[in-house]
Amino acid sequence: QKEVEQNSGPLSVPEGAIASLNCTYSDRGSQSFFWYRQYSGKSPELIMFIYSNGDKEDGRFTAQLNKASQYVSLLIRDSQPSDSATYLCAPLNTGFQKLVFGTGTRLLVSP
Amino acid sequence: GAVVSQHPSRVICKSGTSVKIECRSLDFQATTMFWYRQFPKQSLMLMATSNEGSKATYEQGVEKDKFLINHASLTLSTLTVTSAHPEDSSFYICSAAPGTDVYGYTFGSGTRLTVV
Repeated sequence: QKEVEQNSGPLSVPEGAIASLNCTYSDRGSQSFFWYRQYSGKSPELIMFIYSNGDKEDGRFTAQLNKASQYVSLLIRDSQPSDSATYLCAPLNTGFQKLVFGTGTRLLVSP
Repeated sequence: GAVVSQHPSRVICKSGTSVKIECRSLDFQATTMFWYRQFPKQSLMLMATSNEGSKATYEQGVEKDKFLINHASLTLSTLTVTSAHPEDSSFYICSAAPGTDVYGYTFGSGTRLTVV
């Protein structure tokens, strides 16, 4: 079993729709969860993080965490073509303080 | 916000030579920096954790004699790819966080290494 699993996609949504990106992880020691966006040929940029069960909203983005199910998701409302990128899920094991990345989900938002 | 600078952004070298990549934290001190490698269409793979003033911690399967890491100051870590071969061609990225702030991992812009 991989440490972090994401559907590689591509996930195709029309402009203005909600994009839902999912991630499961195996390490129960993970305490914080990060979502990064990576454009082709560029380094990742942090979108948001979450460490408590439930939802956390930041603008058009909502992260959802369920530690019992070892599941974290990212919702993007009002998707824009500029949101087309690969989204990386990264749990953080506080004890080791290192991020382990999933394979990423490629999102395509069509105009 | 925290800024991490990485140089060079691109480098082409001949097989058998060594290449040094620098990672600097510009506006904060980083006791720990991380080095990742990313092959095309794959995710980031953690290579090693660079610790200021001590030896780096390498992930399983990463050759420490081939990928030399030096973290001589609180703002600079370097990765040297020694005796590079074409299979070392990849995108190398560093990241760091201010002190023990686990919420502030920032990535450098990455280095595209091509070994010919």
